[in-house]
Amino acid sequence: DAKTTQPNSMESNEEEPVHLPCNHSTISGTDYIHWYRQLPSQGPEYVIHGLTSNVNNRMASLAIAEDRKSSTLILHRATLRDAAVYYCILRDEALIQGAQKLVFGQGTRLTINP
Amino acid sequence: DGGITQSPKYLFRKEGQNVTLSCEQNLNHDAMYWYRQDPGQGLRLIYYSQIVNDFQKGDIAEGYSVSREKKESFPLTVTSAQKNPTAFYLCASINPRSPLSGANVLTFGAGSRLTVL
Repeated sequence: DAKTTQPNSMESNEEEPVHLPCNHSTISGTDYIHWYRQLPSQGPEYVIHGLTSNVNNRMASLAIAEDRKSSTLILHRATLRDAAVYYCILRDEALIQGAQKLVFGQGTRLTINP
Repeated sequence: DGGITQSPKYLFRKEGQNVTLSCEQNLNHDAMYWYRQDPGQGLRLIYYSQIVNDFQKGDIAEGYSVSREKKESFPLTVTSAQKNPTAFYLCASINPRSPLSGANVLTFGAGSRLTVL
């Protein structure tokens, strides 16, 4: 069972910012929040991850709520190439030994209008 | 370049036949995963493995089998017991051992699309 919930779909316009929310109310202290995106007919690719502080990289920013029960992936200026399904998952970094069951939810299908 | 190779990319099967999907990684990752994706849906976990000769069932393991004889390889067999096998299958790997770095992320293959005729 997915530990995260996301809206099924969102729509935005090209060159505008996009905020993709994710709820993870049962997050534990050692869970990292990971985001992946999947372009059509491809395997998912890593976008960004974080633990407590907000994170930035060349692809996106991740804003994490103070209580860590939700997070938001921010695409600062969406392009048509950002149209994809975005997944938010939790990964427990304390589980070093033993395979961890990594469960994806339905994700958010992002549509970008020209 | 390191990565995950899935083959074949497209596969057609007649009902009642077993098929095996290949997944090979040269990333020296310990953990490997198989997911199934149906059209317009998210990823569902079939099987996962931490080390050689060890694997666990995911959420939808019925009708599937796996083996982990080598660290680099994690083949998935779709058996005739899987009633609706037409789907997109994704293999992934991750190195879980870096201590508390959070830097370990899943790497996915390009996927195998299976169609039952």
